[in-house]
Amino acid sequence: AQRVTQPEKLLSVFKGAPVELKCNYSYSGSPELFWYVQYSRQRLQLLLRHISRESIKGFTADLNKGETSFHLKKPFAQEEDSAMYYCALTPQGTSGSRLTFGEGTQLTVNP
Amino acid sequence: DVKVTQSSRYLVKRTGEKVFLECVQDMDHENMFWYRQDPGLGLRLIYFSYDVKMKEKGDIPEGYSVSREKKERFSLILESASTNQTSMYLCASRSDRGLNYGYTFGSGTRLTVV
Repeated sequence: AQRVTQPEKLLSVFKGAPVELKCNYSYSGSPELFWYVQYSRQRLQLLLRHISRESIKGFTADLNKGETSFHLKKPFAQEEDSAMYYCALTPQGTSGSRLTFGEGTQLTVNP
Repeated sequence: DVKVTQSSRYLVKRTGEKVFLECVQDMDHENMFWYRQDPGLGLRLIYFSYDVKMKEKGDIPEGYSVSREKKERFSLILESASTNQTSMYLCASRSDRGLNYGYTFGSGTRLTVV
């Protein structure tokens, strides 16, 4: 079975401060991990996925297989980063398979 | 621009009613999903479908059924709505082709059962 845990339901930082949203997973095989974001009154959208090793809107995330973590980081938070963030997992390389989400973290960036 | 369209943004239904939530995608995706989104619980998978007329139970299928008669349409059915089914419902689709495993989500249907 696959499981994703986001230990913080709420996270509040000041503009310009670093931010880290934690994500831990359990899965016996090789996972593919994603971060999704939902801004107020908008649909859920893909922020980044580990296989791309890209930086989107200044966010990065590194897969740590030893710690089974995929934390999302940004060195300088902006007010427009305020949103709900979900970490998600699917088995790597399999088509048609389900995406399992964490509980979500509501990030608030204060001016 | 790819689209997943959910027919209703808000719905209010009475306990015991049969409720249909409709989802249509225009991307020729093979896979379609229904999730419910609740605060503190994240997104939980109700049902999914990887082909026309095929369906698989997710984590919380009780009280729900689905229908996929055409590739582009995936319907979620609440046979007899109950108050604990008050939630935000999200539809998503995904392609089997290429290396893009990302999901495309609809805007959601906020269902209130009174």
